[in-house]
Amino acid sequence: KQEVTQIPAALSVPEGENLVLNCSFTDSAIYNLQWFRQDPGKGLTSLLLIQSSQREQTSGRLNASLDKSSGRSTLYIAASQPGDSATYLCAVPDTGNQFYFGTGTSLTVIP
Amino acid sequence: KAGVTQTPRYLIKTRGQQVTLSCSPISGHRSVSWYQQTPGQGLQFLFEYFSETQRNKGNFPGRFSGRQFSNSRSEMNVSTLELGDSALYLCASSLEGNPGYEQYFGPGTRLTVT
Repeated sequence: KQEVTQIPAALSVPEGENLVLNCSFTDSAIYNLQWFRQDPGKGLTSLLLIQSSQREQTSGRLNASLDKSSGRSTLYIAASQPGDSATYLCAVPDTGNQFYFGTGTSLTVIP
Repeated sequence: KAGVTQTPRYLIKTRGQQVTLSCSPISGHRSVSWYQQTPGQGLQFLFEYFSETQRNKGNFPGRFSGRQFSNSRSEMNVSTLELGDSALYLCASSLEGNPGYEQYFGPGTRLTVT
């Protein structure tokens, strides 16, 4: 069974800093990896999807990388803003399209 | 294009009652999955439907059931509610049923059982 871990569990940074969120998974035979953002009490917003054949995916100030062999992905956020404050989750699907989620990183960007 | 919609958004029920939650996927999406989110357990997979067939089921008791209609809309039902069923229930849709496609989540239904 796939296990997904996210480090750190919480992160607090001043506005303008660049930051890295980490995600690791135990089974490297993945189809893809998806990063989500969740605001308190809300649903999940898809940020980036990296296919297993890709090494990187970029969207605006976000850049996600994938290293299947080591079972790791990172989400890089450039020039952080208070509006980036949220919980960030990574997830990988199995063959039955069931997603395994990490426990998330709670990010606070201080103005 | 409209996103995934879930109704109702908030629900308060009493122990022993039953509840039905609804999910409308993005137009054209054929796969619908349901997840339960609680502070203690995080996001847990309930089941996935594709073309009106349940293809995958998580480790939940039989009180949790669902179905999908021909227009891909899905409902989930929880019977004999327990206090521990209080959670945010999230629905996700994707274009096809294989794992290569991006999943899009709805805003969730917040269920409180008293």
